[in-house]
Amino acid sequence: EVQLVESGGGLIQPGGSLRLSCAASGFTVSRSHMTWVRQAPGKGLEWVSLIYSGGSTHYADSVKGRFTISRDNSKNTLYLQMNSLRAEDTAVYYCARNVNYFDSWGQGTLVTVSS
Amino acid sequence: EIVMTQSPATLSVSPGERATLSCRASQSVSNNLAWYQQKPGQAPRLLIYGAYARATGIPARFSGSGSGTEFTLTISSLQSEDFAVYYCQQYHNWPPLAFGQGTKVEIK
Repeated sequence: EVQLVESGGGLIQPGGSLRLSCAASGFTVSRSHMTWVRQAPGKGLEWVSLIYSGGSTHYADSVKGRFTISRDNSKNTLYLQMNSLRAEDTAVYYCARNVNYFDSWGQGTLVTVSS
Repeated sequence: EIVMTQSPATLSVSPGERATLSCRASQSVSNNLAWYQQKPGQAPRLLIYGAYARATGIPARFSGSGSGTEFTLTISSLQSEDFAVYYCQQYHNWPPLAFGQGTKVEIK
């Protein structure tokens, strides 16, 4: 069974950094395209970042230069390093397996950027 | 960049009735269109991919149609568990991976 479990969210001050983790089971992260999607309170879904199975990465313009997606193949885990956080980054962050569409999602982790 | 537009924003439907949700792409996405359901406090769940193929475990009352720029999600007879927010997503030309803004299906 495919399972994704996010962790690492919390309350952080503007300008701070946070690293989110997404532990996968039931499939191999390094052989899959993986994505982070976020959802601000009361808002819709916003694609954030993508890492292809080959390792290349892409980012939404809103996070480019501040966020970094990566993976640890030995731990079968996806990461999102978030720097220079802003209030508008406040959201639930989901990791998802990307087979063009998103066939499996984690339960999400809440990031709140506030002083 | 392809922009996805859903309508209506909110749909009020009585249990047992039919619900029809629309999704429009700013340019053709062929049949590279998925639908997701999201209930409060939960992650989205894949319903439909390839515009009309139901994901594993999705009941037959959910059906998708359309191609190019116009798509429809139909719920033939709404059950209590179907009241939720529904999103469409194109994967014809990515990144970026674009979602529609969502349609909330509420109890009438």
